[in-house]
Amino acid sequence: QVQLQESGPGLVKPSETLSLTCTVSGGSISNSYWSWIRQPPGKGLEWIGYIYYTGSTNYNPSLKSRVTILVDTSKSQFSLKLTSVTAADTAVYYCARIDSSTYYNWFDPWGQGTLVTVSS
Amino acid sequence: DIQMTQSPSSLSASVGDRVTITCRASQSISSYLNWYQQKPGEAPKFLIYAASSLQNGVPSRFSGSGSGTDFTLTISSLQPEDFATYFCQQSYSTPHTFGQGTKLEI
Repeated sequence: QVQLQESGPGLVKPSETLSLTCTVSGGSISNSYWSWIRQPPGKGLEWIGYIYYTGSTNYNPSLKSRVTILVDTSKSQFSLKLTSVTAADTAVYYCARIDSSTYYNWFDPWGQGTLVTVSS
Repeated sequence: DIQMTQSPSSLSASVGDRVTITCRASQSISSYLNWYQQKPGEAPKFLIYAASSLQNGVPSRFSGSGSGTDFTLTISSLQPEDFATYFCQQSYSTPHTFGQGTKLEI
């Protein structure tokens, strides 16, 4: 079955760019939508955005000015870049597939998550 | 954005209890409502889609209901492995939004 694994630096300095990669294994990255979701420590979940394997994207307006999601089908990877980070961007970042049935969709499976701390 | 509000924020229960968690949307989302379970240090696990359809492999003691703005997740007989935090999520429109979570404690 499809598995996802996040990778990237666990510590980013304020004002710099957070960069993470999600590697998809056990299935094809094609014909699916892929998403990033984050969770600040002890808090709820925030959807960041998604990308289709063709490269089309949809971002959360609250982050849109700072977010870029890209896909590399040759490597079965998609990535997240978040610019001008502050302490408020400290969170566990998850990648997930958007699965669907007829008119409905949901996030499944998820990666294990990676904690990114913004601190100098 | 569609706001999702869960109640209660936390709930104490015992093994064997029947529990119900409520999720309310700030506007009608038809049946575009998903439920997830999250245990400490783990990623959320998908449980229910379309408000009431169980994901394959999810025990039948879990059930979901509702449409429009009001939804419920019910666990008919709590098992030790069910103590976790539960989140609802609307897939009616972007940005996809989640409830703040309900922590189910012993």
